[in-house]
Amino acid sequence: TQLLEQSPQFLSIQEGENLTVYCNSSSVFSSLQWYRQEPGEGPVLLVTVVTGGEVKKLKRLTFQFGDARKDSSLHITAAQPGDTGLYLCAGAVGNEKLTFGTGTRLTIIP
Amino acid sequence: DTAVSQTPKYLVTQMGNDKSIKCEQNLGHDTMYWYKQDSKKFLKIMFSYNNKELIINETVPNRFSPKSPDKAHLNLHINSLELGDSAVYFCASSLEQGSGYEQYFGPGTRLTVT
Repeated sequence: TQLLEQSPQFLSIQEGENLTVYCNSSSVFSSLQWYRQEPGEGPVLLVTVVTGGEVKKLKRLTFQFGDARKDSSLHITAAQPGDTGLYLCAGAVGNEKLTFGTGTRLTIIP
Repeated sequence: DTAVSQTPKYLVTQMGNDKSIKCEQNLGHDTMYWYKQDSKKFLKIMFSYNNKELIINETVPNRFSPKSPDKAHLNLHINSLELGDSAVYFCASSLEQGSGYEQYFGPGTRLTVT
């Protein structure tokens, strides 16, 4: 069973600051996804990365897949209150099921 | 229109009861899932169906029985509810079977067993 550890577990920062969330595993993944979940709702996909070293940008969010495809990071620039939520990474090997990470609860203070 | 809908949104029941949660997707997807999210927000897959056929059945007590009458619906029936079943249950769907496909989640059903 692949285990995806996210860090930090909780993060509370001021609006306008930058932050990075990490997703680490000892397993190699063929693809990795990042989701954001807001209270009372289901997770919503932000990005999928499939190539080692791949970097994808979504406005102020930058996602990177590790060279060895065992880890990933999410960097947010100039955080805004709308970025508040639970961030989940999810990895899979081949066509197997998605394994979700332990989650990072992010709070942006206005 | 809601892409993936679940009913009910909240479910409060006593130990030993039997309950069902319904899920419908109007996206035309072939694959549907049930996930359980515990109090620590850990999201774990329970079942996956592809075009009405069971393809993933994780280590879940056999008190949990999924049913897919057609590829747009995946219901979850739970017998003899226990305190430990309290959690948020999410239904999801994806275009096809395969981990690279985006999964669309429903709003969740918060189950509380007393």
